[in-house]
Amino acid sequence: QKEVEQNSGPLSVPEGAIASLNCTYSDRGSQSFFWYRQYSGKSPELIMFIYSNGDKEDGRFTAQLNKASQYVSLLIRDSQPSDSATYLCAVTATTDSWGKLQFGAGTQVVVTP
Amino acid sequence: GAGVSQTPSNKVTEKGKYVELRCDPISGHTALYWYRQSLGQGPEFLIYFQGTGAADDSGLPNDRFFAVRPEGSVSTLKIQRTERGDSAVYLCASSLTSLRFNEQFFGPGTRLTVL
Repeated sequence: QKEVEQNSGPLSVPEGAIASLNCTYSDRGSQSFFWYRQYSGKSPELIMFIYSNGDKEDGRFTAQLNKASQYVSLLIRDSQPSDSATYLCAVTATTDSWGKLQFGAGTQVVVTP
Repeated sequence: GAGVSQTPSNKVTEKGKYVELRCDPISGHTALYWYRQSLGQGPEFLIYFQGTGAADDSGLPNDRFFAVRPEGSVSTLKIQRTERGDSAVYLCASSLTSLRFNEQFFGPGTRLTVL
């Protein structure tokens, strides 16, 4: 079982709709959760981070964390063609190595005009 | 500089050769991380530094891989006796600290191709 799992997609979303991405993780001790966006041929770009249970909103993005169920999700509202990218979920590995991020394989999002 | 920089952007080498990849973190960031990413996969952790010392090198695949950060700023990832399986994009990231809550910012990466 992979430690961080994401649906690989592609997730096809009409322009203006909501894209919903999910991520589950296996390490119950994980404390920090991140969403990165990666355009083809580019490096990951941090778009959201969340540390507490609940929702966190930043512009069109909302991150949701449920530690009891060990999942974190990302909602993208009013999706635009420029949101077409691969979205990577990342989780800190253990309580004694805060710096070590474990990544999922990413979910490809395609926003269609 | 404004962001993390990495050199070279591309490196092509032959099997068995030695390579060095350089990373210059965001000014003021004390923590520095190395990952590598293969096509279709998420980044895979290699090592991270807090200051000059390696805080966690558990991701280095074998003893052909070594990294240093002698002055707590620039870091060099060194790969000896390269193998075709080492081909990947090597990503460097930095953060203010490596404490419990840290946001890591990535550089553009070095694409390593071993022929």
